[in-house]
Amino acid sequence: NAGVTQTPKFQVLKTGQSMTLQCAQDMNHNSMYWYRQDPGMGLRLIYYSASEGTTDKGEVPNGYNVSRLNKREFSLRLESAAPSQTSVYFCASSLSDYNEQFFGPGTRLTVL
Amino acid sequence: AQSVAQPEDQVNVAEGNPLTVKCTYSVSGNPYLFWYVQYPNRGLQFLLKYITGDNLVKGSYGFEAEFNKSQTSFHLKKPSALVSDSALYFCAVRDLSSGGYQKVTFGTGTKLQVIP
Repeated sequence: NAGVTQTPKFQVLKTGQSMTLQCAQDMNHNSMYWYRQDPGMGLRLIYYSASEGTTDKGEVPNGYNVSRLNKREFSLRLESAAPSQTSVYFCASSLSDYNEQFFGPGTRLTVL
Repeated sequence: AQSVAQPEDQVNVAEGNPLTVKCTYSVSGNPYLFWYVQYPNRGLQFLLKYITGDNLVKGSYGFEAEFNKSQTSFHLKKPSALVSDSALYFCAVRDLSSGGYQKVTFGTGTKLQVIP
């Protein structure tokens, strides 16, 4: 099992450009999450999908959109990137929101 | 509202000595508590969790955590530290008592440095 995979691993964008971060899990988990990690801030939830077909905002959703394409895949889109979105982005999944989460390796995004 | 605090940004311990990484939490109902570890340039890895039952929870890599309801704490411990334990450790909490979806709140992390 690959667990949780994320692409790309690194990305540099210019202000105003758009991009989509891809995430997939092969553990048949129902819940999936997108977090950003910034120094001194811990992990902050951007969006989550408690089950296939549903998505909801987390703590810091502004400037992002998500798509739960199917049970395996959960993508995060930046429509118009801003320097404040420079961060490390992690996708995670869990069997349900009552279970521990499994994290992908992360995407390091720099917005110039 | 739920919250979790990790009061130490960094903990230094000599190899072979016992280690403790502190965590305190606040929830309105019953807590569901986790510890995760993050090695450099990697995602978080689950170490252990507490839902109910025995206050001493054993997890991966020889780590354990003690739940203390009166002190609202869930400190991570290991009897003998290894250099390879050096990493960033996150405590997290979820309120078990609330209905519907409840997100997990993560602490800001504690960097553990084990000195050879």
